[in-house]
Amino acid sequence: GQQVMQIPQYQHVQEGEDFTTYCNSSTTLSNIQWYKQRPGGHPVFLIQLVKSGEVKKQKRLTFQFGEAKKNSSLHITATQTTDVGTYFCAGKGGSTLGRLYFGRGTQLTVWP
Amino acid sequence: SAVISQKPSRDICQRGTSLTIQCQVDSQVTMMFWYRQQPGQSLTLIATANQGSEATYESGFVIDKFPISRPNLTFSTLTVSNMSPEDSSIYLCSVAYRSGRSPGYGYTFGSGTRLTVV
Repeated sequence: GQQVMQIPQYQHVQEGEDFTTYCNSSTTLSNIQWYKQRPGGHPVFLIQLVKSGEVKKQKRLTFQFGEAKKNSSLHITATQTTDVGTYFCAGKGGSTLGRLYFGRGTQLTVWP
Repeated sequence: SAVISQKPSRDICQRGTSLTIQCQVDSQVTMMFWYRQQPGQSLTLIATANQGSEATYESGFVIDKFPISRPNLTFSTLTVSNMSPEDSSIYLCSVAYRSGRSPGYGYTFGSGTRLTVV
């Protein structure tokens, strides 16, 4: 079945350092979404990437979707303590309203 | 985006009992999803709740253990039946909504139900 692998599982950085998490799918995705879950909270939708090679930015966050639509990355520039949380990628297959396949998440810790 | 009201937010239950979790959405949505999340783990899809028909369950999850109702396009319930300590987890509902910012659908989650079975 479809799988989405995400690395690293944990990342500890000092405030001001950059952070990147990577996702890789075993099959071609129709789109990929990114979510952030704060400790004790629920996943919150960040962004959706649809097009091959797409790059989107949200302030210090840069999201990329690979040319083959099988991999994606989230890069945070100059991390802040407010970036703490677990970042999940979630891939979707061909169906418009189909299920999401979640990666295992990357838990980001930022030291002040 | 759709707003989901999920309750209860947490509960402590005796083994062998059942708990029903409710999700109310502020707009009509075609598909609702039920997830389970163990502490520090990713989200595992339990089933997709379809309005007017039986839910579609993922491998490892069965209707007798996790019966789901979807009486209309704004409401769904998940029951965790005959609970054991292994059922202790966070249960989340999710809906797809049409995203105005980009093609396709975004997904929003309820705030979750933290279940502890003793």
